[in-house]
Amino acid sequence: NAGVTQTPKFQVLKTGQSMTLQCAQDMNHNSMYWYRQDPGMGLRLIYYSASEGTTDKGEVPNGYNVSRLNKREFSLRLESAAPSQTSVYFCASSGQGGGNTIYFGEGSWLTVV
Amino acid sequence: AQSVTQLGSHVSVSEGALVLLRCNYSSSVPPYLFWYVQYPNQGLQLLLKYTSAATLVKGINDFEAEFKKSETSFHLTKPSAHMSDAAEYFCAVSFASGNTPLVFGKGTRLSVIA
Repeated sequence: NAGVTQTPKFQVLKTGQSMTLQCAQDMNHNSMYWYRQDPGMGLRLIYYSASEGTTDKGEVPNGYNVSRLNKREFSLRLESAAPSQTSVYFCASSGQGGGNTIYFGEGSWLTVV
Repeated sequence: AQSVTQLGSHVSVSEGALVLLRCNYSSSVPPYLFWYVQYPNQGLQLLLKYTSAATLVKGINDFEAEFKKSETSFHLTKPSAHMSDAAEYFCAVSFASGNTPLVFGKGTRLSVIA
């Protein structure tokens, strides 16, 4: 019963390094999302993909890129990591339409030093 | 644009007491409303959601929420708090049209005192 799986779970980066967070879902969902969570800020949307082949910016897209590789997979890339990108990152997926439940992965803890 | 406001970043209750977590939304069209719970070091899981059927929505672990259009509110309640309810709770809003993602409130951390 995997649901949404994201890797890695923990990562420490040096400023300027790049990395990719991987996410896969096995629920045949059309829509996928990347959020970041910071203390006192709730969850903020970085990018989302309403369907395979489309991506859109969310509230805080600067410094990130995404790829919807196929219907199952949606990756988030940090090209040149900055300390401000230290955060917990959550991948999520849902069916299309506003009333659908969004299902979350377990999170990826990223520290940029 | 839609938004969600959660009143109180931290709520503390005694075990067995009523839990009330407040959520107000701003929306120009009928919303869908959600409550999610996050236990320490875990992802978010759905507690309950309102999708324009009954205004009183029941969720898991005896939580419920009532959609009040006149007050633009969707407060979360539980009659009797349990120690295991200690977690962070997020209210979120989305809409029927298009594929607009959920917009989350900043969260309310619930502490339960023995």
